[in-house]
Amino acid sequence: ETGVTQSPTHLIKTRGQQVTLRCSSQSGHNTVSWYQQALGQGPQFIFQYYREEENGRGNFPPRFSGLQFPNYSSELNVNALELDDSALYLCASSLDQYSPGAFFGQGTRLTVV
Amino acid sequence: AQSVTQLDSQVPVFEEAPVELRCNYSSSVSVYLFWYVQYPNQGLQLLLKYLSGSTLVESINGFEAEFNKSQTSFHLRKPSVHISDTAEYFCAVSSANTNAGKSTFGDGTTLTVKP
Repeated sequence: ETGVTQSPTHLIKTRGQQVTLRCSSQSGHNTVSWYQQALGQGPQFIFQYYREEENGRGNFPPRFSGLQFPNYSSELNVNALELDDSALYLCASSLDQYSPGAFFGQGTRLTVV
Repeated sequence: AQSVTQLDSQVPVFEEAPVELRCNYSSSVSVYLFWYVQYPNQGLQLLLKYLSGSTLVESINGFEAEFNKSQTSFHLRKPSVHISDTAEYFCAVSSANTNAGKSTFGDGTTLTVKP
């Protein structure tokens, strides 16, 4: 079975720009969650998608948006980037929305300058 | 709302010594509890989880954690650590009732194992 893969691994953007991060879920998993991990902190829940619908959202502004595709891969989009958006963005997939625990990808390191 | 407090931000320990990483949580509903490990520049790996049943759960590499409902704790222990256990450890909680896939994480404990 394949694991969770994220792309790109590293990214540098300028303040005000937009960015799209991508995630391929583990085979057989229909639920994906996105987390932001700032330096020295634990991951913070951004949102979750279950069968292409948003299924829960953390305390993040609307400029953070997402998509889940029929093959259950996912995108995280961030508009109007701010310096504080610099972080490791983690994608996690789980069997379904009720399954506890998740399989995490390696993350995308986003640096906003 | 749920919260997780990891009581030690850094834990230095010598190789082959025992270690305990402390985690307390707060929740108004029944919970699932997890420990994840993160090696430098990598994602999180699930170390062990408590869902129900026996309050003592074990991982394949010698770690164990005990769910204590009265003290709302889920401390991680290992009787003898190796250099390779050096990593960041995160305690996490999710609701056992709805949306179990959404987890709240602590800020992590850096375990450094010295020779």
